[in-house]
Formats: sequence, structure tokens, C-alpha cells
Amino acid sequence: DGGITQSPKYLFRKEGQNVTLSCEQNLNHDAMYWYRQDPGQGLRLIYYSQIVNDFQKGDIAEGYSVSREKKESFPLTVTSAQKNPTAFYLCASRKGTSRNEQFFGPGTRLTVL
Amino acid sequence: RKEVEQDPGPFNVPEGATVAFNCTYSNSASQSFFWYRQDCRKEPKLLMSVYSSGNEDGRFTAQLNRASQYISLLIRDSKLSDSATYLCVVNIYNQGGKLIFGQGTELSVKP
Repeated sequence: DGGITQSPKYLFRKEGQNVTLSCEQNLNHDAMYWYRQDPGQGLRLIYYSQIVNDFQKGDIAEGYSVSREKKESFPLTVTSAQKNPTAFYLCASRKGTSRNEQFFGPGTRLTVL
Repeated sequence: RKEVEQDPGPFNVPEGATVAFNCTYSNSASQSFFWYRQDCRKEPKLLMSVYSSGNEDGRFTAQLNRASQYISLLIRDSKLSDSATYLCVVNIYNQGGKLIFGQGTELSVKP
């Protein structure tokens, strides 16, 4: 089945540790995105990538880093510089032109202890 | 002012009711528009795209008014399974396909 997978579903981290969230898609989509959602709020864009080996900062990129070495994969690292990392992280991908909708993975809930 | 603003929720309606959600956007360069549905603690899923001429999908009707920068979603004959948060989403022209999300409106359909 085609789709977007994120792992792990739940993640706990101690303060001061970096952690990497996985996002893989087999939809052959060109663009991939990372969003963060806090309770009662809309999604906010962290980073996005339109092609392999290229990515751009979104609205809240500070404290995060990404890579896009393969079309299928867009991992997000939450660094210790992110002051409030506890949130629901959603990865999405899009086919073709910017008019197309985005499809989301199931998300990773990160809790910093 | 937020780029995409939605009706504050929650909306509590009985089964069978008709409910309307409104959304306004501030960027006139907005190119495409969507309604997504998000169930509790799940990822958003596309409900429908919104076209300039308006479009319908079963019990759901979406309207777009570019002049007023306004989008609406009408749900007829509400079902219990319609209970969710509805997100108004806007794509800005020439910004890499990034989407701007409203904060969502929660709908609760009661028996």
C-alpha cells in the first residue's frame, strides 16, 4: 500500500538530548513537509523540501534540522536548542504542482521529560 | 491578524442538523483552498478541495468567495461520525506549496 509512515508513534526524551523523527513515503511525491501541532492550535510549518538535496525553513525552524538525501525520506532532528519541543509532529508530502493537496503521515508525539 | 481565521468552536449539534463553518484568509495571493478533517489525536485528512465555482461531495458543500477572501463548508444531515475538527487550509502562490492552516473548528454531533 502506498502511503507515508512516521516512526516512532510516541517518543520520550530527556531535556538536552537530540532526537530524530523518521518520515518515509512511497508515493513518489516530490515535496515533503514537517509541521508541528500544539493542543488547540493549527499546524505550523517547520521545514519543507521540494526536491532531493534541497530544503527551506518554514515559520518555526529554530531548534530543528532536516536532510533530504533520498526522495522517499525526510527525517527531522529536534535539537536541544528547541526550547519547547513537546508537541505532535506531522510529516506530509505532495505530488507535483503547488496546487495539489498534501497527504499526512500518522504523526509522532514527542514528550520531553 | 492570523493569515487564516476560522469560527471559534466547539459546535454542538444534534444528528440530522445542518452546520456551516466559515473561514477568512488575509493573503490575496492565495492560490488553492482545502478543507481537512482531523480526528482526535490523529493526522489531518483531506475532506475536499474548494473550487471557485463551489463544489459538492455528498452531504458536504464548499464555497469560495475570492473577492471577500472567504471560504465556507456546509454539512447537511449531520452524522455522529462527522464529529471531528475541521481545518480550513490555504495554499499561497509560489511559496513551495506550503499550506497555511486555520486553528480548526471542533464539531460534536450528538444523538
